[in-house]
Amino acid sequence: GAGVSQSPSNKVTEKGKDVELRCDPISGHTALYWYRQSLGQGLEFLIYFQGNSAPDKSGLPSDRFSAERTGGSVSTLTIQRTQQEDSAVYLCASSLVAAGGGETQYFGPGTRLLVL
Amino acid sequence: EDQVTQSPEALRLQEGESSSLNCSYTVSGLRGLFWYRQDPGKGPEFLFTLYSAGEEKEKERLKATLTKKESFLHITAPKPEDSATYLCAVQSSASKIIFGSGTRLSIRP
Repeated sequence: GAGVSQSPSNKVTEKGKDVELRCDPISGHTALYWYRQSLGQGLEFLIYFQGNSAPDKSGLPSDRFSAERTGGSVSTLTIQRTQQEDSAVYLCASSLVAAGGGETQYFGPGTRLLVL
Repeated sequence: EDQVTQSPEALRLQEGESSSLNCSYTVSGLRGLFWYRQDPGKGPEFLFTLYSAGEEKEKERLKATLTKKESFLHITAPKPEDSATYLCAVQSSASKIIFGSGTRLSIRP
C-alpha cells in the first residue's frame, strides 16, 4: 500500500509482559516518528529516526521503552514490563525531509494498546 | 520553551455556521506549522503546511492562515462530515515537532 501501516491494530496484554509494535513507513521516507496518544489527549512525542543519524530518544518516558529502525525502513517500538499507564494509542508517522522546509508527516492508523 | 496551545478545546456549530479554530505558538525558529484532522479511532490526516507569516492555504471549506504568533483554521459553511478533532503542530529550527491538544469540532445537522 501507499500509506504508513502499523501492526497489530489492537493489542491486549497483561501487566508485566513485553510488547512489540511495528511500523512500515511510506517507501522512500527517510524520517520516522513514534507518538503516544492517550484518550482525548494530544500527541506525545516518543522517538524520531532520520536516515542514518542517531535517533532522538528525548521523548521516551522510561527505560522500559525502546525502538529500532532496521535498514532505514521498518521500525519496532518495544515496551518492556508493561504497566497499566502504558495503555494508549501508539501512532507512527513518516516524512520526507526537505532541506530548510517543514516535514509533513503521514500517519498510520495506530496500535491500540490495553494493559490489564 | 516551545509551546502550542489550541482553542477552544471543543466547538459545537450548526450546519452552515462558519467559525475559526485558533492555534497559538511559541517556537525557536519556525520551520513549518501543520494542521491535521483526526477522526475517532484513526490516525491524523494531513491538511495543510504553512511556512511563513502571511501565508494562506485553502481546501474545500477549510482555510488556514498564519501570523508570527498564531494560526487560524477557518471553516466556512461546515457540514456534519467536517466533525472531527483538528490538530495543530509546529516544527522548530531544531527539527522538534510539537502538537497541540486539539479542538474537537462537532457540526449538528
